[in-house]
Amino acid sequence: AAGVIQSPRHLIKEKRETATLKCYPIPRHDTVYWYQQGPGQDPQFLISFYEKMQSDKGSIPDRFSAQQFSDYHSELNMSSLELGDSALYFCASSLLGLAGEKYFGPGTRLTVT
Amino acid sequence: SQQGEEDPQALSIQEGENATMNCSYKTSINNLQWYRQNSGRGLVHLILIRSNEREKHSGRLRVTLDTSKKSSSLLITASRAADTASYFCATGPNTGANSKLTFGKGITLSVRP
Repeated sequence: AAGVIQSPRHLIKEKRETATLKCYPIPRHDTVYWYQQGPGQDPQFLISFYEKMQSDKGSIPDRFSAQQFSDYHSELNMSSLELGDSALYFCASSLLGLAGEKYFGPGTRLTVT
Repeated sequence: SQQGEEDPQALSIQEGENATMNCSYKTSINNLQWYRQNSGRGLVHLILIRSNEREKHSGRLRVTLDTSKKSSSLLITASRAADTASYFCATGPNTGANSKLTFGKGITLSVRP
């Protein structure tokens, strides 16, 4: 079965640079969630989209923005990167009505040097 | 604010033994889910239990939920070395499109061969 696809899997950037992470949800899933997981930390919710509209917002810095496109894929744009942004970034997708179960992608490991 | 709090934080057992991990949460929930994460990898959904359920089984997994105590436990029976991973509980406030998951801190399970 198709899973959530994230690209790139690994990304190395320098401070103050910009990064774009992409997420391709499971086909027919209408909701996308972004999570950030720092080293040894639990995943923290950043933002979610339902039917291409932002549906919820968590602890996402103002330097970050995201959107969901007409084909339901989503991109997380991160600007003015800081060392503390180094983390695993997960995307998850779900289908409204599937009782809350989320399917997570493999994550993008971002390293800021 | 932290929702799911797991205990113990780390657990080391011998292959074949049972592993029990506990999670507590603070707010009202619609469902509680357990995820597994191998080192630096994606989150794999294990099991979901709804707030009106008390116990659920899936293979070697047994999950219990006590909404009066706001706690859940995950039991892995007849553990295997391949069960070595971090385990997270995550709570969902509702089943709607906005239902982000709130993760607790993970429990690191080590199963010795």
